[in-house]
Amino acid sequence: AQSVTQPDIHITVSEGASLELRCNYSYGATPYLFWYVQSPGQGLQLLLKYFSGDTLVQGIKGFEAEFKRSQSSFNLRKPSVHWSDAAEYFCALASNFGNEKLTFGTGTRLTIIP
Amino acid sequence: EPEVTQTPSHQVTQMGQEVILRCVPISNHLYFYWYRQILGQKVEFLVSFYNNEISEKSEIFDDQFSVERPDGSNFTLKIRSTKLEDSAMYFCAEHPPGGGGGYTFGSGTRLTVV
Repeated sequence: AQSVTQPDIHITVSEGASLELRCNYSYGATPYLFWYVQSPGQGLQLLLKYFSGDTLVQGIKGFEAEFKRSQSSFNLRKPSVHWSDAAEYFCALASNFGNEKLTFGTGTRLTIIP
Repeated sequence: EPEVTQTPSHQVTQMGQEVILRCVPISNHLYFYWYRQILGQKVEFLVSFYNNEISEKSEIFDDQFSVERPDGSNFTLKIRSTKLEDSAMYFCAEHPPGGGGGYTFGSGTRLTVV
C-alpha cells in the first residue's frame, strides 16, 4: 500500500527566512507527487507536481521541490517566505497517470513570524 | 483559472437526515473525485467517478454514500443517513481527460452533523 509521511506537524519560520517542508513516501514504483496548499477555510491549491524528467520542479508562488528516489522524498522549498505563505501544506501521491486517486500526508502547518 | 464551485459552503444537519453536496464541474472535465477532511486530520479519498460510473471507492464510502452526475451537469455526493462522524469538510475535485495536470479542487462544503 502506498503512503505519504510529513514528519513535521507544525513549523514556524521568520519572514524572509528560507523554508523546507519534508515529505517522504512509500510506493513500489515511480510515484506522481504533488504539493498542495490550503489556507484557512479554503480549498486545496496545487503548488507543483512531479511526474517524470527533471527531479527539481518549479511551482507557483516561488516554491520548488526536489524528487529524490534514493531517499523516497519530495521536499518543498522556498528561499524566502512571505507572511502570506502561512497555511497548511499537504504532500500527496498518485500511482496512476489518468485516474489520479491521491494519497495525502497529514499536512504541515506553517506559521510565519515577523 | 477555471474554478470548481461547491454548494453549499456550509451545511448543518441533524443526525439521521439525508444530505446532498453539489459540485459544479469545469465543462470539459471527465474525472471526478470526492474527498473529505475531518477537522485536524488529513484529506482522505472517498470515491472516483468516470464516464458516469464509480471507478474506485475507499472503505469509507459505504452504502450510506452515493454519487451521481444527474443530467450530465452537477456532480453530487449523497449521504443517506448522516452520523456524527460524517462531520467534515468535503471536497470535490476533477481533472481533464488524460490527467497529468493535477486536480482542481473545489472550495469545499463544511458538513456539521448535530
